[in-house]
Amino acid sequence: NAGVTQTPKFQVLKTGQSMTLQCAQDMNHEYMSWYRQDPGMGLRLIHYSVGAGITDQGEVPNGYNVSRSTTEDFPLRLLSAAPSQTSVYFCASSFAGGENEQYFGPGTRLTVT
Amino acid sequence: GDSVTQMEGPVTLSEEAFLTINCTYTATGYPSLFWYVQYPGEGLQLLLKATKADDKGSNKGFEATYRKETTSFHLEKGSVQVSDSAVYFCALGFSGGYNKLIFGAGTRLAVHP
Repeated sequence: NAGVTQTPKFQVLKTGQSMTLQCAQDMNHEYMSWYRQDPGMGLRLIHYSVGAGITDQGEVPNGYNVSRSTTEDFPLRLLSAAPSQTSVYFCASSFAGGENEQYFGPGTRLTVT
Repeated sequence: GDSVTQMEGPVTLSEEAFLTINCTYTATGYPSLFWYVQYPGEGLQLLLKATKADDKGSNKGFEATYRKETTSFHLEKGSVQVSDSAVYFCALGFSGGYNKLIFGAGTRLAVHP
């Protein structure tokens, strides 16, 4: 099993550009999430999904869109990149809800200039 | 709202020293509690967890006990190694269809030979 994979590993964008961060898991997990990690702030939840076709907002959803058309994939779209979105982004998946272990991808480091 | 507070780092120790990283939480309801570890350049991985009061989670020589009366989940290890150098995150999560973890800010541990 590859676990949770994320692409790309690194990305530099100019302000106003859009892009999609890819996330895929091969563990047949229903639950998937996107977090951003900023220094001194831990990880903050952007969006999450409890199954294909179902998504919901987390703590910091503004400027990001998600969709979940399959169990395996959960892409994160930045609509119009801003310097405040410079961060490390982690995708995670789990078998069920928040009481269960979440499996994290290796992260995408995004810089917006 | 729900939150996690953990001691600020960095924590710098010599090899074989005793480690304590404090974590306290505020939560409505009865969360599960977790410690995740992030090694340099990697995503987070679960270190240990506890799901109810007085439970002790343990793994790789690390331990933490779920203390409801003091709302704490302090991480301890009797003898640290250089390979334990990482960032440690305390987190809480709820069952019942939610899929979010609430993280502390993280504590960086550096162990020197």
